[in-house]
Amino acid sequence: ETGVTQTPRHLVMGMTNKKSLKCEQHLGHNAMYWYKQSAKKPLELMFVYNFKEQTENNSVPSRFSPECPNSSHLFLHLHTLQPEDSALYLCASSQDLGAVQETQYFGPGTRLLVL
Amino acid sequence: EDQVTQSPEALRLQEGESSSLNCSYTVSGLRGLFWYRQDPGKGPEFLFTLYSAGEEKEKERLKATLTKKESFLHITAPKPEDSATYLCAVRGSNTGNQFYFGTGTSLTVIP
Repeated sequence: ETGVTQTPRHLVMGMTNKKSLKCEQHLGHNAMYWYKQSAKKPLELMFVYNFKEQTENNSVPSRFSPECPNSSHLFLHLHTLQPEDSALYLCASSQDLGAVQETQYFGPGTRLLVL
Repeated sequence: EDQVTQSPEALRLQEGESSSLNCSYTVSGLRGLFWYRQDPGKGPEFLFTLYSAGEEKEKERLKATLTKKESFLHITAPKPEDSATYLCAVRGSNTGNQFYFGTGTSLTVIP
């Protein structure tokens, strides 16, 4: 369906749990992104990685911890989340941040519910 | 401040009734304006990228146009399967690694 896959697709967790979201891209891209999407709000950029190096951290609380072991994989580690963190978490990839023409391709998202 | 505003927030059309969605933007040094389609519970699906004023792109019943201040997504003779939320995003020369998204237009096409 798409070149960007995310697992799990749905996740319910308590505030004391630790879980991880996984993203994999099969497009040969070098940049990867995590976004948070809440109802009636624009997509919020959380983290950006380019060639495995983190280039952006948009003042994201430390209860969200990203990891990018290689250009094809991106993780978001979650711990002690709050109910307001419930949202759709989207992963995206693009060729690389230095490209003149740059388009992001998104995965299907993980719907997260924090109880 | 760089920003993206989409209108209308929601749009209901009869099947076959053509219309346009608007994306107004303010950004320094546009490096791309992007249109995505998003179905409920799914990730945004890429539709078009436009880079300069006057540029147009088409795909099936959709046509995207760009001026220096706004972009339009024209939908010709829509079908119920065109129902979705349409998102607009921009990237500017001074936005770094940021793509700024609007809140979207929710389109419903009634048979």
